[in-house]
Amino acid sequence: DQQVKQNSPSLSVQEGRISILNCDYTNSMFDYFLWYKKYPAEGPTFLISISSIKDKNEDGRFTVFLNKSAKHLSLHIVPSQPGDSAVYFCAASAGGTSYGKLTFGQGTILTVHP
Amino acid sequence: DTAVSQTPKYLVTQMGNDKSIKCEQNLGHDTMYWYKQDSKKFLKIMFSYNNKELIINETVPNRFSPKSPDKAHLNLHINSLELGDSAVYFCASSQGDRAANEKLFFGSGTQLSVL
Repeated sequence: DQQVKQNSPSLSVQEGRISILNCDYTNSMFDYFLWYKKYPAEGPTFLISISSIKDKNEDGRFTVFLNKSAKHLSLHIVPSQPGDSAVYFCAASAGGTSYGKLTFGQGTILTVHP
Repeated sequence: DTAVSQTPKYLVTQMGNDKSIKCEQNLGHDTMYWYKQDSKKFLKIMFSYNNKELIINETVPNRFSPKSPDKAHLNLHINSLELGDSAVYFCASSQGDRAANEKLFFGSGTQLSVL
């Protein structure tokens, strides 16, 4: 039972355009959401997060949107750059005493073409 | 200086063997984790330790035993390796309040192949 799903295994975008990565979740107890980025042969690195009390969080070229009623979040990258090409993981947390216990999606491979 | 380092990077071994993966973090974090990335690419938590104390222990077979000699180290020992143990194992650490603790710093992973 996968509680966090990224239904698009891959996404290809032209440099300078917008990249939109999507993530759906099923567990209503999730109240904190994160995006991680992973390059080959490296571990995931934290990108941006959002608490369930917000519906948007922005950090430079990266914006995460949260739609609680739809149990959906998305990551927007504008403008996309070739260096953004990586695997992007969506993750969620239910808090409580389980800090750091993240439930991850299976990742979306983003390719940004020059 | 690598913040979270784990060794070895690659581990190829026969079924039935016992092996260990070591992890060290130099970030001064109190909490460390082991995550497993399976063949379907999902990252799943196995264990977490806070100041050498076991906090999270997911439904992991007894053959997997984490050991934390101090808060900067969290090693993973696996007994009687099985084919299904083949995966990439990631060590991670975090520190601070709720928001900070969800921002995990990951090592580069250990790819375990059991033949």
